[in-house]
This record gives sequence, C-alpha cells and structure tokens, in this order.
Amino acid sequence: AQSVAQPEDQVNVAEGNPLTVKCTYSVSGNPYLFWYVQYPNRGLQFLLKYITGDNLVKGSYGFEAEFNKSQTSFHLKKPSALVSDSALYFCAVRDGGTGGFKTIFGAGTRLFVKA
Amino acid sequence: EPEVTQTPSHQVTQMGQEVILRCVPISNHLYFYWYRQILGQKVEFLVSFYNNEISEKSEIFDDQFSVERPDGSNFTLKIRSTKLEDSAMYFCASTPRGWGGTDTQYFGPGTRLTVL
Repeated sequence: AQSVAQPEDQVNVAEGNPLTVKCTYSVSGNPYLFWYVQYPNRGLQFLLKYITGDNLVKGSYGFEAEFNKSQTSFHLKKPSALVSDSALYFCAVRDGGTGGFKTIFGAGTRLFVKA
Repeated sequence: EPEVTQTPSHQVTQMGQEVILRCVPISNHLYFYWYRQILGQKVEFLVSFYNNEISEKSEIFDDQFSVERPDGSNFTLKIRSTKLEDSAMYFCASTPRGWGGTDTQYFGPGTRLTVL
C-alpha cells in the first residue's frame, strides 16, 4: 500500500534563509512523487513532480526537490525563503507500478516564513 | 491559463439531504477526480473517472457517493443522505491523459460542504 509521511507539522524559517520540508514515502512499485502548495481558502497548486530521470527536480517559484531512492525521501527545498512562501505544503505519491491515478497525500506541513 | 472551476464555493445542507457538487475540468482533459479534505486533515482520494466510467475508487467512495459527466463540460459528485462527517472541502481535479499515472493533476479551488 502507498503511504506518505511528512514528519513536521510546522516549519519556521526566517526570510532569506534556506528552507526544507521533509517527505518520505512507501510504494510497492516505482514512485511518482509530487509537491503541492495550498494557500488559505484556495485549492492545491502543483509545484513539481518526480517521475524518472534526474533526481533533482526544479519546479515553480524557485522550489526544488531531491528524490532519494535509498532513503525513500523527496524533500522540498528552496535556497532563499520568502514571506509569501508561507502556506501549507503537501507531498503526494502514486504507485507507478499500477499505472493508475490514485494519489496519496501526506498530512501537510505548514511553513511559516518570518520577515 | 485554463483552470478547473467548481461550484458552489460553499454549500450548506441539512443532514439527510442530497447534494450535488459541480466541477468543470480543463477542456481537453480526459481524466477527472474527486478528493476531499476534512478540516485540518489530509487530502483523501475518492474516485477517478474516464470515458464515462469509474476507473478507481477508494474505500471512502461507497454507495452514498456517485459521479457523473452529464454533458461535455461538467463533472459532478452526488452525495446522498448526507451525514455530519461528510462536512469537508471537496476538490475536483483533471489530467490530460490517464495511462501511466504520470500526468500532473490540476485541482479546482474546492467546494466547502457543511452538513448541519
């Protein structure tokens, strides 16, 4: 069965500092991994995804994530945080072995960027 | 940029009533989905839909729920005999293709359902 863990409920970082939001996953087949961001009273916005290829994936708004197969992790990173990055971040996984679209989301990590 | 739209943004209903949540997926997309997010909890997959059929569903998606594509643009989620625990944000999503599971899902802004 697929599962996703986001071990931190909340991450606090100062503006201009690097940020990391952690995610680990479990699937039986090849993992397809996604990061979404949710602003208050808004839907989920796609940030980036890993399907295959280069382990470092670059996405929207300067975010990137590194796929680490041995550690089954897909941590979201940004070199320099902005106050406007404050939001709820969700990691998600699909089992590539099924060919299907059932996506399992993590519980979410709330990011606070302080000016 | 095309986007998924959902109506209404907020629906309030009495327990036991039926509700229909509406979604207009991106026009050239072929796969459609419903997810729900109970307040403060994770986003949960409900169902995927392709070619006028359900392709996958979760254990949450029981006989109380049904989906339909009544015309070429709308995709609906019907919840019969609503319960208090159905109160949640319901998100619609769509993808251009279906096979392989690699496509990005584009989400609508959600409908907040409140069951009293």
